[in-house]
Amino acid sequence: EPEVTQTPSHQVTQMGQEVILRCVPISNHLYFYWYRQILGQKVEFLVSFYNNEISEKSEIFDDQFSVERPDGSNFTLKIRSTKLEDSAMYFCASSVGVFGVNTEAFFGQGTRLTVV
Amino acid sequence: QKEVEQNSGPLSVPEGAIASLNCTYSDRGSQSFFWYRQYSGKSPELIMFIYSNGDKEDGRFTAQLNKASQYVSLLIRDSQPSDSATYLCAVNRDDKIIFGKGTRLHILP
Repeated sequence: EPEVTQTPSHQVTQMGQEVILRCVPISNHLYFYWYRQILGQKVEFLVSFYNNEISEKSEIFDDQFSVERPDGSNFTLKIRSTKLEDSAMYFCASSVGVFGVNTEAFFGQGTRLTVV
Repeated sequence: QKEVEQNSGPLSVPEGAIASLNCTYSDRGSQSFFWYRQYSGKSPELIMFIYSNGDKEDGRFTAQLNKASQYVSLLIRDSQPSDSATYLCAVNRDDKIIFGKGTRLHILP
């Protein structure tokens, strides 16, 4: 069964460092998303990406964040200068159509980011 | 007003009984509604989605939607210990979905 894969599963980084979280969406999917979940809190939308550009982003997704689809398979989330409050589980998701409009999205297993 | 509201629980249900999970949402324009299950430290896993008013059944799970009341529920019949998890209600807004905080369900053996 096709699945969304994320690497690494756990990343520890020092405050102020740049991190790149990687995702390989399901191959025929066209829409890609990043969500995050701070420990004990709800899953929060960060950004959606379609046709090689951001289609929507949340207030959380400030100038420190960027996304890229550098080739035909990978979808990355970069945090330029990490802060302690960026510590969270980051989930990548992909869908065939627009997520939520009669379309489900499939989530990867997540990357746990710990900023120290 | 929160977009998606759920009772955080924990909701304790004896094994074999019916677990009833509830969710309300604020955006009347929402068209699609999802229930996800999340085990601790894991990613959300889709259980069911529902678009039309009424009931939708899939195995031991039944989703119920009442758009007039802005209310979605999930019933789990014959609850099993493996059903112990956090259940996330989610609704669509524009081209994404918004999650509730989730209800922790504990099935008592």
